Order: sequence, then C-alpha cells, then structure tokens
Amino acid sequence: DAGVIQSPRHEVTEMGQEVTLRCKPISGHNSLFWYRQTMMRGLELLIYFNNNVPIDDSGMPEDRFSAKMPNASFSTLKIQPSEPRDSAVYFCASSYTGADYGYTFGSGTRLTVV
Amino acid sequence: SQQGEEDPQALSIQEGENATMNCSYKTSINNLQWYRQNSGRGLVHLILIRSNEREKHSGRLRVTLDTSKKSSSLLITASRAADTASYFCAYTGGFKTIFGAGTRLFVKA
Repeated sequence: DAGVIQSPRHEVTEMGQEVTLRCKPISGHNSLFWYRQTMMRGLELLIYFNNNVPIDDSGMPEDRFSAKMPNASFSTLKIQPSEPRDSAVYFCASSYTGADYGYTFGSGTRLTVV
Repeated sequence: SQQGEEDPQALSIQEGENATMNCSYKTSINNLQWYRQNSGRGLVHLILIRSNEREKHSGRLRVTLDTSKKSSSLLITASRAADTASYFCAYTGGFKTIFGAGTRLFVKA
C-alpha cells in the first residue's frame, strides 16, 4: 500500500482564493481525520469521518472551512475564502476503528496564503 | 487548547544515551499512542498502550502508562543520531485523539 496520499504537497495562494486539499486514505481503513499543524497551536483535529460520515467537525475553525468524503477512498478539505492565518501544514490520517496500530498520516500539504 | 502536555519541550543528548519524554493528559482514555515526526514529514506511529496496560516495549522503545496520575513516558534507549525528531503523545478518549505539543529530541553524534 502506498500509504495515505495527500495532494498537493505545497500550495501558495492569494488571500481570498479557494483552496482544495485532497486525501486518499489507506484501503480498508474506515476512519479519516484532518489535522492542522502550526507552531503556535500544534496539531489540531479539524474533522473526523467514520465510514464516510462526518462524526465531529467541532474543530473546523469557521464556516470558511468545509470537508467532504464522497466515498471510502477520497476526501477533500476546502477553504473558501482563504486568509493568511490559514497558513499551516494540513495532515490527513486514516485508521481502522479499534485497531491497535494507531493512525497512518500522509505527508501533509503545506499551505501558504499571501 | 486541544493539546496535552509534554515535557521537556526540547532535549539534547549524546548518541548512546537514553532519552525520556513525559506526557500528561486530562481526561479518561481508551489508549495512548506515541508518534515521531521528522522535520517536514508526517507523523509516524511508534507504539500504542491501552488504558489497562502499564508498560509496553517495542525494540529500543519503552512506554509506561499511569492512569492514576494521567501520565505516560517514552524511553528511547541507546539513542542514535537518526532518532533526532519531534515526539508526540496522543491520547484517545471516545473517538477523539488529542495530540500533545511534542518534545524535540536532538541526538548528537
């Protein structure tokens, strides 16, 4: 398995533009998580899907952020409109509920909003 | 804040020495995990310890869990330069996994 695949690896965009981050989880995993990492706030859970259904989106900062999981092999995180304070590394992770091997993280998308 | 607490924030040791990192949390948990993150990369899962376990080993890693004190420690024995990374604890209560702020470990060759 190629692991959790995220794209793009890097994204530089202008304030006000729409940004879409993509994630392909590991085949067979039924849980998917979006995290954001910054120096100031560390790793923050944004949203959690189980069996493609959003279970908890209380970590989504505001209405500018939205996430979808249309099927078991694909998820997107969209920011519209983007702001400079959204600059961070966004990680997608997947796991199998109840498993003892923790989460598998993607390599992340480094987002810079100028 | 979503973060658990880890200490020290940074640790610098010589190759061959042992490194100990500590983690404290605030809620009841199902399990606690430790991850490593190399600069510019994603997190890699190292070890998971369940709430009914007290100690677990994996290679040069030893994890302890004290649920009465809501704390855990990660010991890396005989450290190597390649162990240089940030280490995060993550505790799971219910379906949420909360990550600590991390300990930055630097192992000098």
